[in-house]
Amino acid sequence: AQSVAQPEDQVNVAEGNPLTVKCTYSVSGNPYLFWYVQYPNRGLQFLLKYITGDNLVKGSYGFEAEFNKSQTSFHLKKPSALVSDSALYFCAVSPYGGSQGNLIFGKGTKLSVKP
Amino acid sequence: EPEVTQTPSHQVTQMGQEVILRCVPISNHLYFYWYRQILGQKVEFLVSFYNNEISEKSEIFDDQFSVERPDGSNFTLKIRSTKLEDSAMYFCASSDIRVNQPQHFGDGTRLSIL
Repeated sequence: AQSVAQPEDQVNVAEGNPLTVKCTYSVSGNPYLFWYVQYPNRGLQFLLKYITGDNLVKGSYGFEAEFNKSQTSFHLKKPSALVSDSALYFCAVSPYGGSQGNLIFGKGTKLSVKP
Repeated sequence: EPEVTQTPSHQVTQMGQEVILRCVPISNHLYFYWYRQILGQKVEFLVSFYNNEISEKSEIFDDQFSVERPDGSNFTLKIRSTKLEDSAMYFCASSDIRVNQPQHFGDGTRLSIL
């Protein structure tokens, strides 16, 4: 079955430290991978995507993600966390290729950045 | 930056009543979607819509659900006879015709069934 796993319910980081939010996926074929962020009482905001090419993709607000095909992972990273990065982060995959199909989401990881 | 807008932000409805959730996708987008998120659970796909017809739907999207693009700007989700388990946050999304472009989401409508 196609699925996305985010193994951590919450990640706690001190401001200025690097952060990593983990995501692994299980789909057949070559997936399209996405990260979205959700602030309180808001919708899902697109951060970045991996389609093909360079395994390290850069997105909004200084976030980046590394695609690892052998480990079927797509971890979200940021070199220096900000308090304002505190939010709920969702990894998603489009299992059939293309971004017009349904997205399969992970359960989300709450990122808490303390001053 | 253009946004997907959803109304109302919160809808309270009696069980068994019909409810219509409204969305205005980004103006040049041609693909439209509905997702839902039951409290504490994953975001789940309901349906996608392109060229005035459903292109894909999930098992959740049964006969009590329908979607419509009644005019050039709105995209609606109708639940015919609501159940308690329909209580959730419903998100509308849209994407443009280019294959590699992401889906953009609205802020959602919180549906509470009493």
